[in-house]
Amino acid sequence: SQQGEEDPQALSIQEGENATMNCSYKTSINNLQWYRQNSGRGLVHLILIRSNEREKHSGRLRVTLDTSKKSSSLLITASRAADTASYFCAKVYTGRRALTFGSGTRLQVQP
Amino acid sequence: EAGVTQFPSHSVIEKGQTVTLRCDPISGHDNLYWYRRVMGKEIKFLLHFVKESKQDESGMPNNRFLAERTGGTYSTLKVQPAELEDSGVYFCASSLTGARDEQFFGPGTRLTVL
Repeated sequence: SQQGEEDPQALSIQEGENATMNCSYKTSINNLQWYRQNSGRGLVHLILIRSNEREKHSGRLRVTLDTSKKSSSLLITASRAADTASYFCAKVYTGRRALTFGSGTRLQVQP
Repeated sequence: EAGVTQFPSHSVIEKGQTVTLRCDPISGHDNLYWYRRVMGKEIKFLLHFVKESKQDESGMPNNRFLAERTGGTYSTLKVQPAELEDSGVYFCASSLTGARDEQFFGPGTRLTVL
């Protein structure tokens, strides 16, 4: 499958701790995007990293991309209870515009 | 600026009936996408419009699904006849054409087929 894997499937941490989620993919990508979904709501775009980039920052978010390992990670620093949500990695494969989503990581931040 | 909107938010129908979902993209976004998430599975791509043209419909599961985007503005996704396995959440997203590939998602339509 081209969808790849995300890990962990679920993560529970305390407020103030950092959360790291990982994503892998199988073939060449144009870019990789991370989305958040709060329970019962739509997907919110967090950050996009292109295939020629290695690291991007946005506020408390840090995304890395290792094209040699075909993997990406999302780091949320100093987590807050409001960060509780499901996080999805979505790949845009070369030659396409559609997003290919992973299975997601359910993050629970305990106050 | 209004985001992507979808209607209805929920739909409950019986097997064999027809349902039409609507998506209004962000004004000026040429690209419109449909995705769905069926129970316990990953979010999967259905199709992609550029203006009124179907650019990629490789994710459409079968010919019971028909998507249209007349005039290149809003889009409809019709399921006829609906089957039990069609239950899930149907998302619409839109994006600009150009260097940025960020897709903006609507809240989704939850479809339940009984």
